[in-house]
Amino acid sequence: DQQVKQNSPSLSVQEGRISILNCDYTNSMFDYFLWYKKYPAEGPTFLISISSIKDKNEDGRFTVFLNKSAKHLSLHIVPSQPGDSAVYFCAASEGQGAQKLVFGQGTRLTINP
Amino acid sequence: GAGVSQTPSNKVTEKGKYVELRCDPISGHTALYWYRQSLGQGPEFLIYFQGTGAADDSGLPNDRFFAVRPEGSVSTLKIQRTERGDSAVYLCASSLLPDQPQHFGDGTRLSIL
Repeated sequence: DQQVKQNSPSLSVQEGRISILNCDYTNSMFDYFLWYKKYPAEGPTFLISISSIKDKNEDGRFTVFLNKSAKHLSLHIVPSQPGDSAVYFCAASEGQGAQKLVFGQGTRLTINP
Repeated sequence: GAGVSQTPSNKVTEKGKYVELRCDPISGHTALYWYRQSLGQGPEFLIYFQGTGAADDSGLPNDRFFAVRPEGSVSTLKIQRTERGDSAVYLCASSLLPDQPQHFGDGTRLSIL
């Protein structure tokens, strides 16, 4: 039972363009969402988060959008840079103070020069 | 270093053996988490410590898995009678407080032959 799903295993984007990574969830109790970025042989690195009381959160080139009715969130990266090439994981929890993160399978983003 | 440190980085052992995986969290972080990541999947929650006590061990797959954090800092994940299906990357994370983003180490790659 995959409660957090990232249906695109991979995505290729031209440098300078927008990258859009998508994530769907099924558990209606989830109300806090995070995106992590992972390089090979390294642990995931926290990027950005959003609480269910918001529908958008922005941090520099990274913006996360949340559509609660559709149980869908997305991460926008603009402009995309070669260093953004990595695996991106969406994660969710029941409450910001909840400790158990449920992760999606990840999307491998490749930025082409 | 300033980040979460996990040792060893790689561990190869035979089926049936006992293994211990160590995690040094970021100094001052009260919350510590263990996750397991299988190939092509996102991290899967195992256990969460707040201080010395295991506040949530609902993700431990069976009683062969056990974790301790006796002084509220370093944690050890212990696996008895290892099986080939235990092969995975074991990730440790810590956070300053439970409602703060989790910071991950680079993991221990465990291979059971």
